[in-house]
Amino acid sequence: GQNIDQPTEMTATEGAIVQINCTYQTSGFNGLFWYQQHAGEAPTFLSYNVLDGLEEKGRFSSFLSRSKGYSYLLLKELQMKDSASYLCAVPSGTYKYIFGTGTRLKVLA
Amino acid sequence: ETGVTQTPRHLVMGMTNKKSLKCEQHLGHNAMYWYKQSAKKPLELMFVYSLEERVENNSVPSRFSPECPNSSHLFLHLHTLQPEDSALYLCASSQDGGGAGELFFGEGSRLTVL
Repeated sequence: GQNIDQPTEMTATEGAIVQINCTYQTSGFNGLFWYQQHAGEAPTFLSYNVLDGLEEKGRFSSFLSRSKGYSYLLLKELQMKDSASYLCAVPSGTYKYIFGTGTRLKVLA
Repeated sequence: ETGVTQTPRHLVMGMTNKKSLKCEQHLGHNAMYWYKQSAKKPLELMFVYSLEERVENNSVPSRFSPECPNSSHLFLHLHTLQPEDSALYLCASSQDGGGAGELFFGEGSRLTVL
């Protein structure tokens, strides 16, 4: 079957580094997306990985290992505004995306 | 105009009511989607339209009826809903329906069925 697993909740301290993991099982692979969703707001695109390795974008980085079916989102120098849910998603055929349940990150002062 | 707008943002309805959710995208995208987001569950795909033609109907009960009059507008008509249908309904659009395109989401319509 096709499935995505990610932790339900994580807590970290302002200024720290946090890593949110995502493992996936899909019949094919056409990249992996990370979205950020603040409470009551739209999910917004953070990153897209299709090749193995680390992609850095400011304080946020995303890593992919296709052989392991594994990705992580790394958030550095955490800020209070980073408190949000982080959704991992993989395309699964035309017009279909499989989403994880999302990881709710709480950043404490 | 912002990318994808949804109205209303909040809706409370009884089980016998009929209401509609509206979505509008200003991005010139080809594909539009309805997703259901429930607490502690993954986003569930409900319907997909590509160039105004429905291309995906993900085993959704008939009490949900989509309509796509043109490539910029998408509606979700609701009738005789159940309390378990209470959720956040997200509209999204994408340029590339082949699966490699980024989804652009609206802020959602929070539906409560009494």
